[in-house]
Amino acid sequence: DIQMTQSPSSLPASLGERVTIICRASQGISNNLNWYQQKPDGTIKPLIYYTSNLQSGVPSSFSGSRSGTDYSLTISSLEPEDFAMYYCQQDASFPWTFGGGTKLELK
Amino acid sequence: QVTLKESGPGMLQPSKTLSLTCSFSGFSLSTSGMVVSWIRQPSGKSLEWLAAIDWDGDKYYNPSLKSRLTVSKDTSNTQVFLKITSVDIADTATYYCARRPWSGFDYWGQGVMVTVSS
Repeated sequence: DIQMTQSPSSLPASLGERVTIICRASQGISNNLNWYQQKPDGTIKPLIYYTSNLQSGVPSSFSGSRSGTDYSLTISSLEPEDFAMYYCQQDASFPWTFGGGTKLELK
Repeated sequence: QVTLKESGPGMLQPSKTLSLTCSFSGFSLSTSGMVVSWIRQPSGKSLEWLAAIDWDGDKYYNPSLKSRLTVSKDTSNTQVFLKITSVDIADTATYYCARRPWSGFDYWGQGVMVTVSS
C-alpha cells in the first residue's frame, strides 16, 4: 500500500494568513494526488484533483502543487470558513489511501 | 445536479452482516471511466477507502478487508451496495459513498453513521 504522510497534523493560523499543508507519498504517485476539506458536521468538500486542478466552485485562494515527492495544498489568505480538517488522497494505485489529516484552527 | 446518499441500519450487533446502499442521481455509472467508491471514517480518525465499482462492473477492494467486502450495483445503475460480513466494534464508523469520474472524488454523500454494539 502507498502510505500518505501528511504534515502538520495541527496548524494554528490567523485570518488572512497564507498556509501550506504537505503530503508525502511512500512511493511515486505521478501527480495522482487529491485534496479534500471536511467540516465538523462531517461534510466533505473536494478541493483539488490531480495535484493542481481546482474542483468546480473552489475559490482561487486554494492551490495545489508538487515538488519532487512532496505535494502541497496552499491557501493564500485564510477566510473564516477555511478552518476545517484537510486530507490528501492518492488514486495512483489500489488501495487508494488518505493522509492522516491536518486540522487548520484559528490561532 | 449530482447527488449521492447513503443509507444503512444505524446499529447492528457484532458478527452480523452490514448492508449499505448508495443511491445517486444526476449521472450515469455506465459512463466510461465512472467509478463509485465506499469510504469510511471512525470517529476522530482519518478516512479509509474500502471498495469501488466502475462503469464496466469491475470491482476493487481494500486488501485489508477484502475477504469481508462485497460491492455491487443495481441493473438500473442508480444504486451501489456494500456488504461487510462479520462486523465487530472496529467497524463502527461513518460510511461515505463518493463519485470518481477519472481523478479524485468530486461528489460525496453526507455519510451514514453505523454503530456496532451488542
